[in-house]
Amino acid sequence: KAGVTQTPRYLIKTRGQQVTLSCSPISGHRSVSWYQQTPGQGLQFLFEYFSETQRNKGNFPGRFSGRQFSNSRSEMNVSTLELGDSALYLCASSSAGAGETQYFGPGTRLLVL
Amino acid sequence: KQEVTQIPAALSVPEGENLVLNCSFTDSAIYNLQWFRQDPGKGLTSLLLIQSSQREQTSGRLNASLDKSSGRSTLYIAASQPGDSATYLCAVPPGGGFQKLVFGTGTRLLVSP
Repeated sequence: KAGVTQTPRYLIKTRGQQVTLSCSPISGHRSVSWYQQTPGQGLQFLFEYFSETQRNKGNFPGRFSGRQFSNSRSEMNVSTLELGDSALYLCASSSAGAGETQYFGPGTRLLVL
Repeated sequence: KQEVTQIPAALSVPEGENLVLNCSFTDSAIYNLQWFRQDPGKGLTSLLLIQSSQREQTSGRLNASLDKSSGRSTLYIAASQPGDSATYLCAVPPGGGFQKLVFGTGTRLLVSP
C-alpha cells in the first residue's frame, strides 16, 4: 500500500501571498489530520477531516483552512502568509475514529520570505 | 488542558547500550498513547501505539509501557544502533479528541558507533 503523500514537498512564498498544500491519505483511510511543526512551538494540531467534514480544529487563526474531497484527499490553505507561518506542515491519515494509529506523510516545508 | 513533557531533551549513547526515554502527560483520561520517530527534515514514523487498557507494547527492540494513573510512559530501546539516531516523540489524544494528537517536545537521540 502506498503511504501518505504530500505535495509540494518544498515551497517558498512571500508575505501576503496564499498557499495551498495537498495530502493524499493511505487508500481506504477516511480521516486526515494536519499539523504544523516549528522549532519554537513543536508539533501543533491544525484540524482533522473525516468523510469531508471538519471534525476537530486547533487554535489557529482563520487564515488557516482546509477541506476534504470525496476521495479523502485533503487540502489546506493559508491566506495572507506571515513570516511566522514558515514551518513543516504534516498530514496524517487513519482508517476511522479514535484509537487508530496515525500514519504521517513526509511533510511540506514552507518558507515565507 | 493536556500537556505532554519528554525527558531528557537530548541523549547521546554509544552503540549497544540499552536506553529509556520518558514521556509524562498531565491528564490521565487518555484514549491511547503513541510513540513516533522523526528523522531530520522528515515526517513521523509510527513506532508503537498503546491503548489505555494496555500496560505495554513491544516491537522488535522497542518496548513501550504505559502507567495511566501516574501519567507516564517509557520507551525502552534495547541494544541501540546508530540507525536509531532520530528524535522520538510521544503523543496522546485529549479526552474525546479523536485523531487530534498533543505531542511532547521530543527526545533527540544520538547513537555513536
